[in-house]
Amino acid sequence: LAKTTQPISMDSYEGQEVNITCSHNNIATNDYITWYQQFPSQGPRFIIQGYKTKVTNEVASLFIPADRKSSTLSLPRVSLSDTAVYYCLVGDNYGQNFVFGPGTRLSVLP
Amino acid sequence: GAGVSQTPSNKVTEKGKYVELRCDPISGHTALYWYRQSLGQGPEFLIYFQGTGAADDSGLPNDRFFAVRPEGSVSTLKIQRTERGDSAVYLCASSRPGADTQYFGPGTRLTVL
Repeated sequence: LAKTTQPISMDSYEGQEVNITCSHNNIATNDYITWYQQFPSQGPRFIIQGYKTKVTNEVASLFIPADRKSSTLSLPRVSLSDTAVYYCLVGDNYGQNFVFGPGTRLSVLP
Repeated sequence: GAGVSQTPSNKVTEKGKYVELRCDPISGHTALYWYRQSLGQGPEFLIYFQGTGAADDSGLPNDRFFAVRPEGSVSTLKIQRTERGDSAVYLCASSRPGADTQYFGPGTRLTVL
């Protein structure tokens, strides 16, 4: 199982860009990188997924270097409502290969 | 459309009792997952269904835990002889055939007194 390492917590201010990096040195060829967001008392919510290079959607961007041993979730111009826990997952998305770590607790301050 | 729903939202029971937690996945989603989340931790995988069959139940902690999905839609997680350590939020997720994005329900908060 490819394990991930991400910072336990991060602080930011409203309007700033936030970058959360995840390390996954043992990523396998078939593995995708997926990021989820979780608010208190809610289930995780899909943010973005990628395999290599860069992926962008209306919420975030995901940067993946050529060796795929890390990835960076970029949240542009965060607001207070972006305060949440962000999880980086690596796997082929089935069964036990889908492993959540402790996540990164992002606090956005006014 | 409707998302994944879970009932009840909260369940309080006494040690030794039996509980059932229900998950209604998104219509058409053939894959269904159960997770358990303790305070301050990420979700922990329990079991994965593809259709009616459990494709991977390696995450179930012991034989007190059992899950079914008899018609390939609704799933029930069953816990026998509950223990205080079973207290957690139990999350259910579903995904489309061949797809990898999981859609999570709000969870059931189980408290064992």
